[in-house]
Amino acid sequence: SQQGEEDPQALSIQEGENATMNCSYKTSINNLQWYRQNSGRGLVHLILIRSNEREKHSGRLRVTLDTSKKSSSLLITASRAADTASYFCATDARGSQGNLIFGKGTKLSVKP
Amino acid sequence: SAVISQKPSRDICQRGTSLTIQCQVDSQVTMMFWYRQQPGQSLTLIATANQGSEATYESGFVIDKFPISRPNLTFSTLTVSNMSPEDSSIYLCSVQKPGNTIYFGEGSWLTVV
Repeated sequence: SQQGEEDPQALSIQEGENATMNCSYKTSINNLQWYRQNSGRGLVHLILIRSNEREKHSGRLRVTLDTSKKSSSLLITASRAADTASYFCATDARGSQGNLIFGKGTKLSVKP
Repeated sequence: SAVISQKPSRDICQRGTSLTIQCQVDSQVTMMFWYRQQPGQSLTLIATANQGSEATYESGFVIDKFPISRPNLTFSTLTVSNMSPEDSSIYLCSVQKPGNTIYFGEGSWLTVV
């Protein structure tokens, strides 16, 4: 069964606002990754956060990880219309060798 | 240039036929992974392909339906056999590179009619 659960399932905001997406998982992990998928396109890797890290930044992206709560959040600051996409978290469970378990995803719509 | 080249990118297939998807990686990797993404859904792992041995399938996926080849460390194929409309999905391959970053191909969008 899928391990990650994202919320919200869908999020609609105005350009310039911040978007926060959350992800929960069930088992111990090596790391957690966030991906973006534009409509009709493949997956784009955004950021990886290891189990011993609590926060990571990449440009307008900020990811947090709370292993005690088995949860992560992705914050996109100053959103743009081009950020419109589906966002997935994926966990690389301990003992795995690169296979990921994906959450259901959050569909983000940024209105100009 | 892309880490992974996957083809076909799209295809419309007749019910009952089979289609083979190819995945070429830009460097040698131990494991390659095949995922399915049904319409509006997230990704589900089909199987792990290891060079020199049979693929390991996840629950709900069987070799007869999704035979996989892994002839060398840079290439793999997934065949979707005896297709039905329920097989209409995006099929993606992925690899893990040093540093644990996992890359995905652009996906193969199959529509079965």
